[in-house]
Amino acid sequence: AQTVTQSQPEMSVQEAETVTLSCTYDTSESDYYLFWYKQPPSRQMILVIRQEAYKQQNATENRFSVNFQKAAKSFSLKISDSQLGDAAMYFCAYRSVLSNFGNEKLTFGTGTRLTIIP
Amino acid sequence: SAVISQKPSRDICQRGTSLTIQCQVDSQVTMMFWYRQQPGQSLTLIATANQGSEATYESGFVIDKFPISRPNLTFSTLTVSNMSPEDSSIYLCSVYYSPGEQFFGPGTRLTVL
Repeated sequence: AQTVTQSQPEMSVQEAETVTLSCTYDTSESDYYLFWYKQPPSRQMILVIRQEAYKQQNATENRFSVNFQKAAKSFSLKISDSQLGDAAMYFCAYRSVLSNFGNEKLTFGTGTRLTIIP
Repeated sequence: SAVISQKPSRDICQRGTSLTIQCQVDSQVTMMFWYRQQPGQSLTLIATANQGSEATYESGFVIDKFPISRPNLTFSTLTVSNMSPEDSSIYLCSVYYSPGEQFFGPGTRLTVL
């Protein structure tokens, strides 16, 4: 079974600075998806960024980018130019690519609470 | 992306009663998922609901406690039966919309007294 580990329960960053959130995972599969979701106090889960394991290029979405190290099974999220609206819980998640029934679920880490200091 | 709505957004219920949560998607999707997020915790999958077949439950969740309906490709319900305070959680509906993309509804915050 796949597992996802987020070792930083809480992080804080000064507004406009850069912060990196860590995520490691364990799997025996060679192809899979990795995600970062943001959950603000409104509790809505928002997809921030997605990475496909077979793609070597790191995904980027505006101020959000990932550092995907497949061999190390590491998937960190970098937030540049942090803004007050980035304050939220951030969850790392894993999903198999296999379409066999039962493999489609997301496996989540325990989350990192990010605080933005004005 | 998919637009997902849930009803109710929150509710306070008495012990021993049941609550049905509705999830509506703005487009047809094959797979819908129900997750539970206990206070201060991560998300745990309750079950996967495919249209036209029985829901598949994860270990620790049973149909008698969490019956699910999936009458068509845009709608699903989750019932939390015979509730106890331990059922107080956020319940989230999710859909698998395209290769590698999965979206969530706004969640239903349930408090059981």
